[in-house]
Amino acid sequence: DAGVIQSPRHEVTEMGQEVTLRCKPISGHNSLFWYRQTMMRGLELLIYFNNNVPIDDSGMPEDRFSAKMPNASFSTLKIQPSEPRDSAVYFCASSLVLAGELFFGEGSRLTVL
Amino acid sequence: GQQLNQSPQSMFIQEGEDVSMNCTSSSIFNTWLWYKQEPGEGPVLLIALYKAGELTSNGRLTAQFGITRKDSFLNISASIPSDVGIYFCAGPNSGGSNYKLTFGKGTLLTVNP
Repeated sequence: DAGVIQSPRHEVTEMGQEVTLRCKPISGHNSLFWYRQTMMRGLELLIYFNNNVPIDDSGMPEDRFSAKMPNASFSTLKIQPSEPRDSAVYFCASSLVLAGELFFGEGSRLTVL
Repeated sequence: GQQLNQSPQSMFIQEGEDVSMNCTSSSIFNTWLWYKQEPGEGPVLLIALYKAGELTSNGRLTAQFGITRKDSFLNISASIPSDVGIYFCAGPNSGGSNYKLTFGKGTLLTVNP
């Protein structure tokens, strides 16, 4: 079975540009998470969707960040405008059971120059 | 908020040696999870613990849920080069938001062949 699929794997962009990261969760999973990983802060939860509905976006750093889940098989995380401090690895994860059994994608490494 | 403290931060060992790492918290956790992240990949769940005192094995890996519910350890026996990676402990936040995982900062394991 396919795991969580993220694209792009790597993105290099210039400050001020719009960035869109994409995620396809595991089929049948009803929860989707976006995490950000940096050396300084480790893994941080940005937003959590349940049954395509955003439940908790308290981890979204600023209004420059937005996330959508138009259907059960697709989600996007958008940064507009991007800034150098947004450089990080962004992970999408999905799960069927709460309390932690997350399946992570391979991540999207974002570099903002 | 809840914090998980992992130790050691990094380990350099020889192939064949046993490894032990642990995770502590000032708060009680009802679930402990151990993830491994290899370079360029997302974290992968190794072991999940759901009951205080529980001891669970997965091949050469053994993890225990501390009886105080404030700690957990992970042991790796007879390490091999492919054990290299970052090992994270994680647990769901208390207070009803059990979808929100707190992650430790990780233990970086290097195995010299």
